[in-house]
Formats: sequence, C-alpha cells, structure tokens
Amino acid sequence: DQQVKQNSPSLSVQEGRISILNCDYTNSMFDYFLWYKKYPAEGPTFLISISSIKDKNEDGRFTVFLNKSAKHLSLHIVPSQPGDSAVYFCAATRNQGGKLIFGQGTELSVKP
Amino acid sequence: NAGVTQTPKFRILKIGQSMTLQCAQDMNHNYMYWYRQDPGMGLKLIYYSVGAGITDKGEVPNGYNVSRSTTEDFPLRLELAAPSQTSVYFCASSYEGSGYTFGSGTRLTVV
Repeated sequence: DQQVKQNSPSLSVQEGRISILNCDYTNSMFDYFLWYKKYPAEGPTFLISISSIKDKNEDGRFTVFLNKSAKHLSLHIVPSQPGDSAVYFCAATRNQGGKLIFGQGTELSVKP
Repeated sequence: NAGVTQTPKFRILKIGQSMTLQCAQDMNHNYMYWYRQDPGMGLKLIYYSVGAGITDKGEVPNGYNVSRSTTEDFPLRLELAAPSQTSVYFCASSYEGSGYTFGSGTRLTVV
C-alpha cells in the first residue's frame, strides 16, 4: 500500500528550463509534506516543506505547490542547474512530528 | 559536528549470517529511525525510537531488531540474513520529529 507515490521514475530537463516533479498521496490525514534531495552515495537532505494550511511555499529557485483536494503536490525548480541532478523524494507525515512516509523517488537529470 | 554516522559503509553477508549496522548521532536528537531503500521503492521505515529505551516497528520490521540504550546510538540487528535484505540502509535522527538528518548509508548485499 503505497501512501505516497511518485509516478515518474526519471525526468530529463535542459539547463535553465523549469523542472516539475510530481507527487500524489492517498492518506487524507497527512498534513505536512517535504521534499528531499539525494546524491549518489549520500543520505537524503532536506530541501523544502509545506504545511497543509498553505498551498505554496517558496525558497529561492524551489517552490512547492500543494493541492489538497487532488491530494497532489509538486516541486518546481526554476531555473534548473546541472547541480540539481539528483534523486528527489517526496515525503508526508501527520502532525509534523510524525514518521515520514516516502515516495519512490524521481531521478532528475539536468543537461547543460 | 559529525551529524549521523553509519558504519560500515559496505558489507557482504552470507545467507544465515548475522550482523549489526551501527548508527550514532551527536546532535542530541531524541528521535532516531532506520530506513531501507530498494530500487524503485523509495525509503521504507524499519524501526524508530522516540527516546532511549523506547522503540517501535515501522512499515517493514520483519527480520530486524533494534535497541536504544543511549540517546546517541541506535544499532540495527539482522539475525539471519536473507537475500531479501539486500538493500541500502539509512539511519536518521530528528528533534521531536522535525528536521530529519540522514546518515550516508550502509550498502548491504546478502549472497
């Protein structure tokens, strides 16, 4: 039972363009969502998060959008840079301090 | 400040062998977690702990055991290794569930 789903295993984008990574969830009790970035041979690192009381959160080149009615969130990276090439995991939790449930990950490749 | 340290980084085990994956954090985080990452499956929670002496099962606990005798350490024990336990294991810690910090992982192969 995959409660958090990232249906695109990979995404390739040209440098300077927008990258859009998508994530769907099934559990309506989730109220806090996070994106993690992972380079090979390293652990995931926190990128950006959003509470269910908001529909958008922005941090520099990274913006996360939340559509609660569709149980969908997306991460936008503008402009994309080669250093953004990594695996991106979406995660969700209840009460912010709960256990994180992760999606399968999307491997982003940004080509120069 | 080392953060979360996992040892070993790589290990090959034979079926039926046992081993302990070590995890230590120096951030005085009270919560600690073990995840495994399999290709195309994301990270699955194995066990977690909200403080010394307290542990609980996650999504995929079968075949594993944990203990939390100190705030700093959270070892993961495999008693009878099976090929299905071939994976990359990540330990993480947080303060009250916020701000997860992950270790760099242990790549385990069971043959």
